[in-house]
Amino acid sequence: QQQVKQSPQSLIVQKGGISIINCAYENTAFDYFPWYQQFPGKGPALLIAIRPDVSEKKEGRFTISFNKSAKQFSLHIMDSQPGDSATYFCAAKDTSGRGSQGNLIFGKGTKLSVKP
Amino acid sequence: EPEVTQTPSHQVTQMGQEVILRCVPISNHLYFYWYRQILGQKVEFLVSFYNNEISEKSEIFDDQFSVERPDGSNFTLKIRSTKLEDSAMYFCASSEIGVETQYFGPGTRLLVL
Repeated sequence: QQQVKQSPQSLIVQKGGISIINCAYENTAFDYFPWYQQFPGKGPALLIAIRPDVSEKKEGRFTISFNKSAKQFSLHIMDSQPGDSATYFCAAKDTSGRGSQGNLIFGKGTKLSVKP
Repeated sequence: EPEVTQTPSHQVTQMGQEVILRCVPISNHLYFYWYRQILGQKVEFLVSFYNNEISEKSEIFDDQFSVERPDGSNFTLKIRSTKLEDSAMYFCASSEIGVETQYFGPGTRLLVL
């Protein structure tokens, strides 16, 4: 119940194409779903995030689609660029513990390579 | 733009030794976290800290680990007696109260030999 399942493990996309990464969760106590981008040797950086009362959120070329009934959410990167090549992690905030702020449960990550 | 900073960037230690990893959270943030990432694997939550006490901890955060805010700016993670399996990248993160966004530092790569 504490897992966030992410797929695919790796993804190769041509420049200009659409990159799609999917995540699924089981715990209904999750109430915030961020996506993080990580470049080699760097810490995860917040890319975009969504709450479950919204089905879609778009920021520039990045869109999160959220399906609350299916407990699934996905990241779409439109017009993918070589500079988007990085590892992407989906995450979910777990508020079931005693801490008021919750903590993040991460997926296993997707290594995206965008070919020129 | 304010950033979370971490020192050292790399640390090599012998098994059984104590290590202290240091973090300076963003100045107006009051919630602090430690996560770890074993090479090639996902980021895992260790502990969260608020108001000078542990707010939440995972199963990974056993008695070998401790956290402290020794002064108004630093937040530390101590591993008392390191094991080979403690080798990982350790990330510090911070957030404002009531705001979900967690900002991560660049990490400390710990290698236990």
